[in-house]
Amino acid sequence: DVKVTQSSRYLVKRTGEKVFLECVQDMDHENMFWYRQDPGLGLRLIYFSYDVKMKEKGDIPEGYSVSREKKERFSLILESASTNQTSMYLCASILSGDRGHEQYFGPGTRLTVT
Amino acid sequence: GNSVTQMEGPVTLSEEAFLTINCTYTATGYPSLFWYVQYPGEGLQLLLKATKADDKGSNKGFEATYRKETTSFHLEKGSVQVSDSAVYFCALSSGGSNYKLTFGKGTLLTVNP
Repeated sequence: DVKVTQSSRYLVKRTGEKVFLECVQDMDHENMFWYRQDPGLGLRLIYFSYDVKMKEKGDIPEGYSVSREKKERFSLILESASTNQTSMYLCASILSGDRGHEQYFGPGTRLTVT
Repeated sequence: GNSVTQMEGPVTLSEEAFLTINCTYTATGYPSLFWYVQYPGEGLQLLLKATKADDKGSNKGFEATYRKETTSFHLEKGSVQVSDSAVYFCALSSGGSNYKLTFGKGTLLTVNP
């Protein structure tokens, strides 16, 4: 079974803190994604990476950065957390090849910024 | 650009009722279409998919048919169960080398016994 794990299920941080969200997949997938999920807005893509050290901005990259030093790990960084970044963050990965392949999702990290 | 519009919820049904969640899309080319489901407290998991026109995806009693002429991928189930209570997301992938998904806003389904 493909497994995508995220470092924390729940996280509470203060405004201005630097926050790291970690995601690890065990299926040697090239492509990894970070989304945020908000009620009424669905899932919105923050950043994605199609290879080690490669990254591309998604639809809402402002206030975020990412790091991919190893194939299995994709980190989302909030340089200076703000209350409007309170959200559910979901990581996903997919194998390159047939675009009909599914994205595999982690369980999510619910981040609260106070 | 790509977009997905799905029926707004929440949807509340009684057990054994018929379910339809509408989904329409806008995309260039020939996208692949997906339904993902999110059970309470969990991440998303793929429910079914279709990669070309007229394909029917099916899983766990759910079905959806890729209709290119109406740009639709409606989700149906003949008899829902309490355990089907979840959020359902319609999504598309328009191909290319990055495998990005465009999601609808999600539909919350609650099934009462």
